[in-house]
Amino acid sequence: NAGVTQTPKFQVLKTGQSMTLQCAQDMNHEYMSWYRQDPGMGLRLIHYSVGAGITDQGEVPNGYNVSRSTTEDFPLRLLSAAPSQTSVYFCASSYSEESSYNEQFFGPGTRLTVL
Amino acid sequence: SQQGEEDPQALSIQEGENATMNCSYKTSINNLQWYRQNSGRGLVHLILIRSNEREKHSGRLRVTLDTSKKSSSLLITASRAADTASYFCASGYSTLTFGKGTMLLVSP
Repeated sequence: NAGVTQTPKFQVLKTGQSMTLQCAQDMNHEYMSWYRQDPGMGLRLIHYSVGAGITDQGEVPNGYNVSRSTTEDFPLRLLSAAPSQTSVYFCASSYSEESSYNEQFFGPGTRLTVL
Repeated sequence: SQQGEEDPQALSIQEGENATMNCSYKTSINNLQWYRQNSGRGLVHLILIRSNEREKHSGRLRVTLDTSKKSSSLLITASRAADTASYFCASGYSTLTFGKGTMLLVSP
């Protein structure tokens, strides 16, 4: 199993550009989520999904969109990038639809810089 | 808002010593989890302790949970240089909320 994969690993955007961060898992996990990690802030939940077709907002959803058309994929879209979105983005998945019940498996991260 | 807060923010020890990190949380939980993050990498799950458990062991790791004080501790015994990493607690009732982490440096 590849586990949780994320692409790209690095990305530089200009303010106002849009892009999609890709996340895929091959463990047939129901729950998938996106976090951002900023220095001194720990991980903050952006959006999550408890199954295909179902998404919900986390702590910091503004400026981001998600969709879940398949169990495997959970892309994160930045609609109009802003310097405040410079961060490291992690995708995670877990078996249970409630992430607190099971360990989460994390991808390697995407380091995004917005100029 | 942060659910868990780790203490200390940074810890520096010698190989062979024990390392203790603490976590406090704010609301009721189903369970509490600890994760490790090596520099520049994704988080790796270490251990999960359920709300009805008080102590759990996994290899050199020992986790305690005190729901009355809303706190947990992670003890790493006989630390090694390879234990150098950031450690995060995560808790919640439905979705997980992570603390800001403790940076552990183990010197040879």
